[in-house]
Amino acid sequence: EAQVTQNPRYLITVTGKKLTVTCSQNMNHEYMSWYRQDPGLGLRQIYYSMNVEVTDKGDVPEGYKVSRKEKRNFPLILESPSPNQTSLYFCASSQKQAGNSGNTIYFGEGSWLTVV
Amino acid sequence: AQSVTQLDSQVPVFEEAPVELRCNYSSSVSVYLFWYVQYPNQGLQLLLKYLSGSTLVKGINGFEAEFNKSQTSFHLRKPSVHISDTAEYFCAVSDQAGGSYIPTFGRGTSLIVHP
Repeated sequence: EAQVTQNPRYLITVTGKKLTVTCSQNMNHEYMSWYRQDPGLGLRQIYYSMNVEVTDKGDVPEGYKVSRKEKRNFPLILESPSPNQTSLYFCASSQKQAGNSGNTIYFGEGSWLTVV
Repeated sequence: AQSVTQLDSQVPVFEEAPVELRCNYSSSVSVYLFWYVQYPNQGLQLLLKYLSGSTLVKGINGFEAEFNKSQTSFHLRKPSVHISDTAEYFCAVSDQAGGSYIPTFGRGTSLIVHP
């Protein structure tokens, strides 16, 4: 079954304590991305990756890091979390397709992160 | 760069009534258009997409959307809603020239279906 798996699904942490949210996809997709979802703001892209060892900033990258050492994994790292990073986070993946075909983006189930 | 505006943050409707969720976009190039649905406590899943061809696109669960290039709109419709359609709906646009894998999402419309 095609899946994007995120862990943990729920986490409460304290300000400044480094944490990592893992993301793994089993579809051999080139493209992966992280979004945060906040009330009234929709989904905002944090970082994305076109392929292994290729990452780029999205709209709201401050306070986050990512890495793409393997095609299937795209962890999101919060080196020093702050309360304004309390949010619902989604990992997503998609296959790059040339030409007039569009892409379906597959989303994980989300990770609720609370920073106190 | 493209942008998406979902004109209504919340749409309440009674069961079995028709519904329209509005989406307008702006882009300097040709685009692909998508609607995603997010049920409570779940991730997003694709409802339908417009790539090319017929401007009327049919999706899952009885939803359809119409691409109107002159009005730069992609409104989502359903003739008769069910309680189970209660969810958050996101319109998204991506740039055809860019390969369509970097979408921009709207802020979402919360569809609330009352019995």
